[in-house]
Amino acid sequence: GENVEQHPSTLSVQEGDSAVIKCTYSDSASNYFPWYKQELGKRPQLIIDIRSNVGEKKDQRIAVTLNKTAKHFSLHITETQPEDSAVYFCAASKGIGNQFYFGTGTSLTVIP
Amino acid sequence: GAGVSQSPRYKVAKRGQDVALRCDPISGHVSLFWYQQALGQGPEFLTYFQNEAQLDKSGLPSDRFFAERPEGSVSTLKIQRTQQEDSAVYLCASSLGPSPSTDTQYFGPGTRLTVL
Repeated sequence: GENVEQHPSTLSVQEGDSAVIKCTYSDSASNYFPWYKQELGKRPQLIIDIRSNVGEKKDQRIAVTLNKTAKHFSLHITETQPEDSAVYFCAASKGIGNQFYFGTGTSLTVIP
Repeated sequence: GAGVSQSPRYKVAKRGQDVALRCDPISGHVSLFWYQQALGQGPEFLTYFQNEAQLDKSGLPSDRFFAERPEGSVSTLKIQRTQQEDSAVYLCASSLGPSPSTDTQYFGPGTRLTVL
C-alpha cells in the first residue's frame, strides 16, 4: 500500500515569513495530492490540491509543488499570518473512489 | 449549501457497549468515506461507499466495526462491544465523484468517541 511521510512534525515561524512542509509518497500510481488544514477540534479543510499532470499550483499565498520522479510534494505558505496556525496534513490518492493516505501532520505556529 | 454533518459530536461509552455514529454527506455526493483519527495522527481509512455499495472495507480494524449506507445517502458506522483502543475521532468525508475532477473529499466535523 501507499506510505506517506510528512516533515517537519512541528514548525514555528515569525509572522510574515514563509513556511514549507514536505511530504513523500511511495506508490507511483498515486495521482492526486490534497492538503488539508485542521484547527483544534475542527474538521479538516481542503486548502489546495494538485494532480499528477501538473508540477505546481498556486492560490494566493499558498502553493504546492509536485515532483513525480522523486515522489515528493511540498506546501509553501508565504507571508504567514497568525490565523495560518493549525495542523496541516498532506495526503495521496490513486484517484476516483480511492482512499486518501494521510501524512502524520505538521503543527504550524505563526508567532505574531 | 450545507456541508457534511455528523452526529453525535461527542460520545462516551463504557467498555463493551455498542455505539452508532451517523454521517450526513453533502446532498448528491456519490462517494462516502469513513476515517479514524487518533490523537495527534492523520486520519486513517476505514471504509468506502459508492452510493449504497460498500466497495472497500479493508480499513475496518475488526469484525466489531460495521458500516452501512442503505439508501445511498446517510451512513452509519457501528462499533460493537467497544474497547478502549476504539477511542478516537471518527471522520466522515464525501465527494461528488466518481470522476477525476470531482474526487475532492469534504470532511465532516467528526465524532469524538471516548471509551471508558
